[in-house]
Amino acid sequence: GAVVSQHPSWVICKSGTSVKIECRSLDFQATTMFWYRQFPKQSLMLMATSNEGSKATYEQGVEKDKFLINHASLTLSTLTVTSAHPEDSSFYICSARASGVGYTFGSGTRLTVV
Amino acid sequence: DAKTTQPPSMDCAEGRAANLPCNHSTISGNEYVYWYRQIHSQGPQYIIHGLKNNETNEMASLIITEDRKSSTLILPHATLRDTAVYYCIVRVGVDNDMRFGAGTRLTVKP
Repeated sequence: GAVVSQHPSWVICKSGTSVKIECRSLDFQATTMFWYRQFPKQSLMLMATSNEGSKATYEQGVEKDKFLINHASLTLSTLTVTSAHPEDSSFYICSARASGVGYTFGSGTRLTVV
Repeated sequence: DAKTTQPPSMDCAEGRAANLPCNHSTISGNEYVYWYRQIHSQGPQYIIHGLKNNETNEMASLIITEDRKSSTLILPHATLRDTAVYYCIVRVGVDNDMRFGAGTRLTVKP
């Protein structure tokens, strides 16, 4: 079946630094990738949608300059949290979609900003 | 996409059937019902989906009422590993974005 690899699975960074999270579709080409954020005991919140080669579309309230999304190929999307602060600590999850494959989710990245 | 309502939590005894309800009274004729689950600190896992007819796969059964305003996910023989948050989502087809509600936290107890 379709597999999405997300890396790293967890990361700790200092406040003010930037962190990059990778999302790869391993056995299919993802026309669209999605990024979600999940705070403890809450549901997944869609942050942005990205199509390969295009600028990402951000949900209302999500700062595009803070959460940089690059979808340079059909198998790779990256989310960079810039100038991270403790309030950015969260569980970030990507999802990849392809026609006939539907949605496949990554295993998530636990970000802790100290 | 139609809004869904699920109970916040449910318990189930190990080995028994777990029946998780979902109300989607504003569902449109072309919207599918999808079920996903999320085990703690993991990404969501697809379970099953349907449009009108009841569906069954190796994981679960999906029962959709005739008026399509509600559905029930059935795990026939729940195990401890089925403890997770279960999300019911309605949307048009496979190519629309997926938005999650609060879900139901199912706890399977020995």
